[in-house]
Amino acid sequence: DQQVKQNSPSLSVQEGRISILNCDYTNSMFDYFLWYKKYPAEGPTFLISISSIKDKNEDGRFTVFLNKSAKHLSLHIVPSQPGDSAVYFCPVYNFNKFYFGSGTKLNVKP
Amino acid sequence: DAGITQSPRYKITETGRQVTLMCHQTWSHSYMFWYRQDLGHGLRLIYYSAAADITDKGEVPDGYVVSRSKTENFPLTLESATRSQTSVYFCASSTLAGGRETQYFGPGTRLLVL
Repeated sequence: DQQVKQNSPSLSVQEGRISILNCDYTNSMFDYFLWYKKYPAEGPTFLISISSIKDKNEDGRFTVFLNKSAKHLSLHIVPSQPGDSAVYFCPVYNFNKFYFGSGTKLNVKP
Repeated sequence: DAGITQSPRYKITETGRQVTLMCHQTWSHSYMFWYRQDLGHGLRLIYYSAAADITDKGEVPDGYVVSRSKTENFPLTLESATRSQTSVYFCASSTLAGGRETQYFGPGTRLLVL
């Protein structure tokens, strides 16, 4: 069973608008959550993280929201830029392991 | 060069052959990981290592063997390659200080098993 689910395989957004990427997880014991971005032919790179003791973390244009009761995580990108076009993963950390979802491909149109 | 590197970047092999994918990191990170990326599955953990000579299974370890005789190297071996092992393989390293550090990924190895 997948520990992490990203139910939207793709998302298309106009440049300058908000991109919202979503992630659901199954285990309420998970306590550390991350977002990674991946360009084609490259490895994933870290974007932002959040601990379960917080419900929001911001870093520039990127904000991650955590809803523990719903076991739901979201990433907001404002404003979206064409360079943000990539696949986004939301791994969760538990006991030395990171569990990844299937990813959401974001396309930011100029 | 500093960072994490993988070799080869591309590999074509035949069913039944043994293949070894190499991973090297220059940060002296204690933790290293191997993932495979397949369409619809995202990244799935194959094996990980907490330190030299300490390895453990991930989600999909069958058909793979790892070793970690030195902190900086973490090779992944497919003992008898199968078509289902055609995938993109990513190596990653992490300090996992306090259990919360991020991972740094290599560029990936694209493996095709014919």
